[in-house]
Amino acid sequence: DAGVTQSPTHLIKTRGQQVTLRCSPKSGHDTVSWYQQALGQGPQFIFQYYEEEERQRGNFPDRFSGHQFPNYSSELNVNALLLGDSALYLCASSFVGSNQPQHFGDGTRLSIL
Amino acid sequence: GIQVEQSPPDLILQEGANSTLRCNFSDSVNNLQWFHQNPWGQLINLFYIPSGTKQNGRLSATTVATERYSLLYISSSQTTDSGVYFCAVFSGAGSYQLTFGKGTKLSVIP
Repeated sequence: DAGVTQSPTHLIKTRGQQVTLRCSPKSGHDTVSWYQQALGQGPQFIFQYYEEEERQRGNFPDRFSGHQFPNYSSELNVNALLLGDSALYLCASSFVGSNQPQHFGDGTRLSIL
Repeated sequence: GIQVEQSPPDLILQEGANSTLRCNFSDSVNNLQWFHQNPWGQLINLFYIPSGTKQNGRLSATTVATERYSLLYISSSQTTDSGVYFCAVFSGAGSYQLTFGKGTKLSVIP
């Protein structure tokens, strides 16, 4: 039973560039959420996708966008990268419905130079 | 929005010791999860516990939703227990996001 998988594991970009991160949910899950974790902090909610639509969004600028595909996998896109975007990006999947337990992938560590 | 506070922020234990980590939240919650983030950054589910007590091996958790707190107990700690422990909550009907505390950093020394 495959868990949540994310790619790539590490990524280095420069300011102003764009990046795409990918996530495949745990088998049977249909909902994908993305979180940003800065060094020394807890993860912060970016948004959640269900049925290929953004269902809820946290306090992040629209430089952060996403997509969900018919097979439930998801992408996180960040445009015009800033130094402050350096963080661990975590994907979580769950069953549809509010308050469902979320299962996390190992994350993508993004460094901006 | 809801506030989640964890204590203590840092904890150093001798191997074999027991510990209690606390999570306070500022409003009623519909559910709560405890996670362990290991030194490699992996976030591992420990408990999904809206209320009551659950046990899994050397770990147990208790949530008293009416008093807005949860406790995580670690008994006979091992060096592999080192890492950061996070409490995260769902708040309100129709909530799809977890709000995390800042975590408790645990170091278990041999």
